[in-house]
Formats: sequence, structure tokens, C-alpha cells
Amino acid sequence: GAVVSQHPSRVICKSGTSVKIECRSLDFQATTMFWYRQFPKKSLMLMATSNEGSKATYEQGVEKDKFLINHASLTLSTLTVTSAHPEDSSFYICSAREGSNQPQHFGDGTRLSIL
Amino acid sequence: GENVEQHPSTLSVQEGDSAVIKCTYSDSASNYFPWYKQELGKRPQLIIDIRSNVGEKKDQRIAVTLNKTAKHFSLHITETQPEDSAVYFCAASIQYGNKLVFGAGTILRVKS
Repeated sequence: GAVVSQHPSRVICKSGTSVKIECRSLDFQATTMFWYRQFPKKSLMLMATSNEGSKATYEQGVEKDKFLINHASLTLSTLTVTSAHPEDSSFYICSAREGSNQPQHFGDGTRLSIL
Repeated sequence: GENVEQHPSTLSVQEGDSAVIKCTYSDSASNYFPWYKQELGKRPQLIIDIRSNVGEKKDQRIAVTLNKTAKHFSLHITETQPEDSAVYFCAASIQYGNKLVFGAGTILRVKS
């Protein structure tokens, strides 16, 4: 149980393109989802926390107009990287939890490459 | 906010030896400490976790110890195997399930 699916697994696109990444909880309802960014050989950095039906809470230094997060249902959260540039290239990973006292389950990640 | 430091950054051991990775945290309110294993390009996988009301927890070859007074916790892997080679991350959070603050990671290489 507790499977989190992330799609797509890899995206390569041109500079200026907007890219949407989906995070789905397949067998549980996720009241909260988290979005992380990971640079090569680095740790996971939390970008934002999204609760179903409300606005996401962004970490300091993360541009909310650049990284749009939508958590419209209990099983789906999306991260849209708007007008992506090469510096946005990274590994983006989501996680989801069922309730406030439940562990986080991670998706497989999305490798985003902006040319 | 919380800050988690992890050492060493790389660790090479011979197959069969033990490996120890240490982390310290800054926020005394943190009470949940998971350890994740991440293989290249894959998702982090929870391998063991400990809550602040427990000093030690063991699961087969893996154990975690927690010293709340000193605010540090450690991962111990015994009888290491080549398949243990990966990047290991410690993390801390205030309340189980809340946002996690990760350490920088340790690259573990087990040589056969």
C-alpha cells in the first residue's frame, strides 16, 4: 500500500516552456503533499507544502509565481514550472501523507532538463 | 528553523564491516527522525525511523540510536553488503508526518 505515482519521470524542453508535473496518491487520500527539489549529489530541499483545497505554503526563497502548486483533490497535486529556464533543471520529487500523524511516501521523481 | 547536519559525506567500507552515519539537529522540538536510502535517480525509501520517546530501534542489520540531550542520532548498518551501497539521508521533523528537514546525505560504498 501507500503508493505515490509521479508523472512524467523525465522532461526535456526548451527554455521558456511551462512544465506540469503530477503527483498522485494511488491507494490512499493525501491530505498533504510536499514538493522537493534535489540537485545532483545534493540533499532534498523542501519547496512547498500543499494541503488539499487550500493554497500551498512555500519555503523561504521559493518563488510561488514561478512554481505553481495546485492540490485540487485528495489524490492529486500538480507542480507547474512556469517559463522554465536552464537553472530550473533539477530532480523534482513529491511526497504525500494521509493524515497529520502518518509518514510521507515519496514519488519516483521527475528529472527536468531545460535546454 | 531546524538545521540537520550529517557526517560523513562519503563512507567506504569493506563488505561485512559495519557502517555508522551520524546526524545532529538544532531544534529541540523535533521529535521524529527517519532515515532514507536513495539509489541513483530513484525515490528515497524509508529504511528505519525513530521517535523521541525511544532511545534505540533495530530492524535486522539496521539500527538507529537517538540522544535527545545531545541532539544527535545515528544509523548503524552491520554486516554490510554491496547492495547497501547508496546515498543515505537523515531527516528531522516536529511531529511525525510533518515537513522533513534533510541532512546533506552520505554516499556509502561497500566494497566486495
